[in-house]
Amino acid sequence: SQELEQSPQSLIVQEGKNLTINCTSSKTLYGLYWYKQKYGEGLIFLMMLQKGGEEKSHEKITAKLDEKKQQSSLHITASQPSHAGIYLCGADGSTGTASKLTFGTGTRLQVTL
Amino acid sequence: DAGITQSPRHKVTETGTPVTLRCHQTENHRYMYWYRQDPGHGLRLIHYSYGVKDTDKGEVSDGYSVSRSKTEDFLLTLESATSSQTSVYFCAIRDRTYEQYFGPGTRLTVT
Repeated sequence: SQELEQSPQSLIVQEGKNLTINCTSSKTLYGLYWYKQKYGEGLIFLMMLQKGGEEKSHEKITAKLDEKKQQSSLHITASQPSHAGIYLCGADGSTGTASKLTFGTGTRLQVTL
Repeated sequence: DAGITQSPRHKVTETGTPVTLRCHQTENHRYMYWYRQDPGHGLRLIHYSYGVKDTDKGEVSDGYSVSRSKTEDFLLTLESATSSQTSVYFCAIRDRTYEQYFGPGTRLTVT
């Protein structure tokens, strides 16, 4: 079965600083999803990556899927208090169409003033 | 907003009672999913559906059943709830571009 490891598990950054969260898979990734979750709330879709080398950006958040398709990184530029929350990566490890996702346990981000 | 609602949003039930959670979507997506989220385990797939009356098991399907009689509704049933099923349950849909969106969640407590 596929396993996802996220690092770091938690992160405290000062407002305005850049940060990177990593997601490493035990198997080849056929789809990698990034979500943000506020405590006690639902998951907010951020981005989906499918091709090795693919990079997507939304506002100040950029995600990349490495060429060998077993790792993804999420980079936040000039962090703001609104970026605080738990970031989850989810992976589709099959070539089928079902998109059954396996998730990492999350990275908790705090942004201090 | 992917037009996903879940009901109830919160429920407390006793061990041994049946419980049904409902997921409703408004955009005719073919694929729907039920996940549970627990501390230390993250999100785990329970069951999923790829069409009306077409369902399959996920990673943690024991003790759960599902039904999909209409495209817009995907029901998750705990036939006889146990304390280990205390969790937050999320429904999700997958759109045609393979993006997967989640509902607001149902917090279930089994006492």
